[in-house]
Amino acid sequence: AQSVAQPEDQVNVAEGNPLTVKCTYSVSGNPYLFWYVQYPNRGLQFLLKYITGDNLVKGSYGFEAEFNKSQTSFHLKKPSALVSDSALYFCALTTGTYKYIFGTGTRLKVLA
Amino acid sequence: DAMVIQNPRYQVTQFGKPVTLSCSQTLNHNVMYWYQQKSSQAPKLLFHYYDKDFNNEADTPDNFQSRRPNTSFCFLDIRSPGLGDAAMYLCATSRDGRILVNEQFFGPGTRLTVL
Repeated sequence: AQSVAQPEDQVNVAEGNPLTVKCTYSVSGNPYLFWYVQYPNRGLQFLLKYITGDNLVKGSYGFEAEFNKSQTSFHLKKPSALVSDSALYFCALTTGTYKYIFGTGTRLKVLA
Repeated sequence: DAMVIQNPRYQVTQFGKPVTLSCSQTLNHNVMYWYQQKSSQAPKLLFHYYDKDFNNEADTPDNFQSRRPNTSFCFLDIRSPGLGDAAMYLCATSRDGRILVNEQFFGPGTRLTVL
């Protein structure tokens, strides 16, 4: 069975510091991995995706993520956090069947 | 701007009273999805349409139905809402993913309250 785990409910980071939001997955077959961000009372917005190729994926707003097959991880990173990055972040997985499995979300709080 | 629109943004209904949520898109995507998201939980896929082909998730209650009369519109019908159906309902679209897996575009959601 497919699954996505986001082990941290909340991550706090000081503005200007690097941030990491963790995601691990379990799947049989090739994983296609996504990160989305959700602001209060808004829908999810796409940040980036890993389909194939380069393990380091760059996305919107300066975010990037590293696909690590041996550790079955797809952690989201940003070199320098902004207060405006504070939001709820979701990792998602599909194997290409139109069924997307979402993690439980990680609330990122960037402190000024 | 191309987008996914959901109406209404907030819906209040009474226990057992049927309710319909609507979603429209200007992206011309052929795949549309409905998700249920309860507070502090992951969005849970209820069903999706590939064009007019309806695909129900195995664990979606029969109480939930959907219609897609054309490419642009998709409706979620809850026949007899219970208190446990109070949630945010998210509509999403994506381009045909048969060749390349594509990201989803989400609407702002409809928050359903059941009294």
